[in-house]
Amino acid sequence: AQKITQTQPGMFVQEKEAVTLDCTYDTSDQSYGLFWYKQPSSGEMIFLIYQGSYDEQNATEGRYSLNFQKARKSANLVISASQLGDSAMYFCAMREIQQGDDKIIFGKGTRLHILP
Amino acid sequence: DAGVIQSPRHEVTEMGQEVTLRCKPISGHDYLFWYRQTMMRGLELLIYFNNNVPIDDSGMPEDRFSAKMPNASFSTLKIQPSEPRDSAVYFCASSLGRHGGGYTFGSGTRLTVV
Repeated sequence: AQKITQTQPGMFVQEKEAVTLDCTYDTSDQSYGLFWYKQPSSGEMIFLIYQGSYDEQNATEGRYSLNFQKARKSANLVISASQLGDSAMYFCAMREIQQGDDKIIFGKGTRLHILP
Repeated sequence: DAGVIQSPRHEVTEMGQEVTLRCKPISGHDYLFWYRQTMMRGLELLIYFNNNVPIDDSGMPEDRFSAKMPNASFSTLKIQPSEPRDSAVYFCASSLGRHGGGYTFGSGTRLTVV
């Protein structure tokens, strides 16, 4: 069963607009972490933001914020005032402890294109 | 810190040859992960180590793949014999502790098996 679902394979957004990238997750753990990574065309994986399942406030990092809705099991990434350099692949990921395992699993990703 | 260091950055090899990918995690990190990324399957976890001990290798595709972590500062992923379907980008990542943060990824090794 897919644990992380990103329903938007691709998005086109005008520069300077805000962007919301969707992510829903599935877990029976009470304690888990949610992450977003950015992968530009150069290929490296860049950690953007983290939200713990017990964190009451939504995580923010500069222009990035994570809209965490625990009851709905969603962890959308919001990028404010998008820039051309935001064009990249974005992955939502979850870290859970399950039967002694501890690993991050990734969604399929959303490719974001910022238009000038 | 130099981050997670992977070598080589690119590897082209002939089918049937042995391939060894290398990773140096961030000093002090106690978890090390090997991922494979392809267009079709996305990012797949192959294996991970905690304190140099393999914890979960259920993602290793088959017996042709093996991974070792002889000490806290070095890990290898070996494919023997390599096949064209092994062509992918292989990422190594490390982290400190369990929850409370993301992984730091290396730059990846792009493997092409011809």
